[in-house]
Amino acid sequence: NAGVMQNPRHLVRRRGQEARLRCSPMKGHSHVYWYRQLPEEGLKFMVYLQKENIIDESGMPKERFSAEFPKEGPSILRIQQVVRGDSAAYFCASSQSKSYEQYFGPGTRLTVT
Amino acid sequence: AQTVTQSQPEMSVQEAETVTLSCTYDTSESDYYLFWYKQPPSRQMILVIRQEAYKQQNATENRFSVNFQKAAKSFSLKISDSQLGDAAMYFCAYREGGGATNKLIFGTGTLLAVQP
Repeated sequence: NAGVMQNPRHLVRRRGQEARLRCSPMKGHSHVYWYRQLPEEGLKFMVYLQKENIIDESGMPKERFSAEFPKEGPSILRIQQVVRGDSAAYFCASSQSKSYEQYFGPGTRLTVT
Repeated sequence: AQTVTQSQPEMSVQEAETVTLSCTYDTSESDYYLFWYKQPPSRQMILVIRQEAYKQQNATENRFSVNFQKAAKSFSLKISDSQLGDAAMYFCAYREGGGATNKLIFGTGTLLAVQP
């Protein structure tokens, strides 16, 4: 059973460009979570999605950030007009249901130049 | 709001010795879960151990065990017979049991070095 897949593993964007991060949950998992880890810090929750629905987006910045988890395909975290402060590792996790453990992907390291 | 505090930014242990990492949390909920995650240099987050708040018995996974003190809101991780592969950043995390969200709240981490 393949684990949580994230791609790309490394992404470099210039200021003002868009970044698209992809997450494929584990097979049978319909709950996806995105977390951000700034340098030298712990992970911070961003958004929780279940197929086609955003359940909790309390950790998402109000502007430039959006997330989706369509019926078919991976979950996408989209960052528009990136700034240097967006440079971080972005982790996706998935779970079988709301009450089960979250399994993490390897993360995408975003660097904004 | 729930918070998780790890007061030890760095710890060091000799190979084969025992080390304890501290974690305290703050919540008004009675139903919740606590976790320890390991993040090695590869940055992959690995679940080490989990504790349900309603269980009085401390969780154990091989060389890893916890000391869960619910009244004190303390959740420490003990690593016995430390190995070089245990060197990593360790994060304590909290998750509410009920409610609509399933988000994890992480502490700031403890960097563990294992000396040969």
